[in-house]
Amino acid sequence: EVQLVESGGGLVQPGGSLRLSCAASGFTFSTYWMSWVRQAPGKGLEWVAKIKNDGSEKFYVDPVKGRFTISRDNAKNSLYLQMNSLRGDDTAVYYCVRGGEVVLRYWGQGTLVTVTS
Amino acid sequence: QSALTQPPSMSGSPGQSVALSCTGTSSDFGIYNRVSWYQQPPGTAPKLVIYEVSNRPSGVPDRFSGSKSGNTASLTISGLQAEDEGDYYCSSYTSTNTWVFGGGTKLTVL
Repeated sequence: EVQLVESGGGLVQPGGSLRLSCAASGFTFSTYWMSWVRQAPGKGLEWVAKIKNDGSEKFYVDPVKGRFTISRDNAKNSLYLQMNSLRGDDTAVYYCVRGGEVVLRYWGQGTLVTVTS
Repeated sequence: QSALTQPPSMSGSPGQSVALSCTGTSSDFGIYNRVSWYQQPPGTAPKLVIYEVSNRPSGVPDRFSGSKSGNTASLTISGLQAEDEGDYYCSSYTSTNTWVFGGGTKLTVL
């Protein structure tokens, strides 16, 4: 069974940083693209970033370019999202998702990031 | 990248069929057939119900079907059931190797 478990969310002040993690299990992590998708409270879904299976290619949505960095450790079956210069509109539930090229197939339960002073 | 356009809300009675629409541009739908639909009941994570326009993942009832014509994709749910209630989002792969979502449709089963 595919499992994706996010962690690292919490309360952070504007301008601050946070690192999200996603522990993957139930599939061969090193063979899949992985993505992060977020959902602001009461709002719709927004794709944030994706990374190729070997980490050689990364893509981002425009609002987070230069502030967020997606990375992975295939030896640890883990995906990460380093978020810097956080703003209020980054407040959202962040989902770890398996996929990035053809389909966003499996989703974790999400971790809440709240940016507030 | 602009979001795809979905009607904010739709409703139907049990047993009826309902078709949810999703409108994009040629840069979204015109190059790839990578259109997906996600179901999100209240308080839960999204779940994939249709991928590559019309493919159904294992475990998704065949009451769910997808199609695309030009720049509009559709998700049809036939034999509507109370458990189908929730938010539905479409998504498409884009010409810039990113993903774009629609704003979501809240489906109410009357």
